Amino acid sequence: RKEVEQDPGPFNVPEGATVAFNCTYSNSASQSFFWYRQDCRKEPKLLMSVYSSGNEDGRFTAQLNRASQYISLLIRDSKLSDSATYLCVVNSFSGGYNKLIFGAGTRLAVHP
Amino acid sequence: GAGVSQSPSNKVTEKGKDVELRCDPISGHTALYWYRQRLGQGLEFLIYFQGNSAPDKSGLPSDRFSAERTGESVSTLTIQRTQQEDSAVYLCASSFAGNQPQHFGDGTRLSIL
Repeated sequence: RKEVEQDPGPFNVPEGATVAFNCTYSNSASQSFFWYRQDCRKEPKLLMSVYSSGNEDGRFTAQLNRASQYISLLIRDSKLSDSATYLCVVNSFSGGYNKLIFGAGTRLAVHP
Repeated sequence: GAGVSQSPSNKVTEKGKDVELRCDPISGHTALYWYRQRLGQGLEFLIYFQGNSAPDKSGLPSDRFSAERTGESVSTLTIQRTQQEDSAVYLCASSFAGNQPQHFGDGTRLSIL
């Protein structure tokens, strides 16, 4: 089983739609969670951190469910510019060190 | 402030040649990662540095690949005897600590003819 797994996508949605992505992680000791966005032929960029209490940034809401070991990203009122690949990122602590593990990403395409 | 800087931006070379890719992380960032991303594919982890040590080299695909980091700063990824399947974008990222968000460079686009 992969340490971080995401919905395979692609998600094709019309402008204005609400779309949600889920991501599961296997290491119950993980403490840090992030969502990144990667545009075509660009480097990944941090979208938002995910906090235990859930957090919102404009149209974006991230939630964490530790019991079920998943995080989610909700995008409301989708814009054409939201089209990108969304990467779920979770920290892993093993062998005495921390590092971040990236999911394979979920592709979102918003159409007019 | 300066972000993660990678050089060269693009590299075209003949099969069998050696290439060296450079990454200058954000000052003060102790964690440094190298990834490979083939066209249309996800990020492929190569190696992770904490300071100048590499506790995780599990992603290096073969012994043709090596990396080092000096002065807890600059890192170089070396690919010897390049093959066509090495063609990809090589991304470097750094973070303040291993559980903190990574900041990525623009990548080096490597093309092997």
